[in-house]
Amino acid sequence: GQSLEQPSEVTAVEGAIVQINCTYQTSGFYGLSWYQQHDGGAPTFLSYNALDGLEETGRFSSFLSRSDSYGYLLLQELQMKDSASYFCAVKDDKIIFGKGTRLHILP
Amino acid sequence: DTEVTQTPKHLVMGMTNKKSLKCEQHMGHRAMYWYKQKAKKPPELMFVYSYEKLSINESVPSRFSPECPNSSLLNLHLHALQPEDSALYLCASSQEGGYNEQFFGPGTRLTVL
Repeated sequence: GQSLEQPSEVTAVEGAIVQINCTYQTSGFYGLSWYQQHDGGAPTFLSYNALDGLEETGRFSSFLSRSDSYGYLLLQELQMKDSASYFCAVKDDKIIFGKGTRLHILP
Repeated sequence: DTEVTQTPKHLVMGMTNKKSLKCEQHMGHRAMYWYKQKAKKPPELMFVYSYEKLSINESVPSRFSPECPNSSLLNLHLHALQPEDSALYLCASSQEGGYNEQFFGPGTRLTVL
């Protein structure tokens, strides 16, 4: 079957760094995306990795290892507004979302 | 304009009603998507239109009927829905049908009584 695993919740302190992991098992693979969703809001695209390595966009970075079927989202200099749910999503013939990681940020 | 708009924001309907959800984008994107999202769950893909043609239907019940009148518009026609169909319905678009970077609309919160 197809599955994506990510932690259900992560807690971190404002100003710190947090890493959200995602492991996947899918029949095909073209890339790994990350989306942020605030309560009551719509998902917002953060990053996409098709090749191994690290992609950096401001305070957010995303990493992919295709041989390990693994990726992570790294958030630096955490701000209270980063409190949200984060979804990894794998693109094969279609798109499959993980169950989401709820990020709590403490002041 | 980097926005996907959806109307209405909220919809309450009975099981015998017929209603439609509307989605619009003016980014020149050629792929548009409908997702269903239940509370505290990930979005679930329902339909994909690529170049105005239905390319994916994720075994969605026939009480949901998509329509793509042109490259900027996407509709979802609803009839004879069940209470378990209550959810947030999200529309998204992307430049091509590759899912790489999808822009989501704010969604329609649907309640079926």
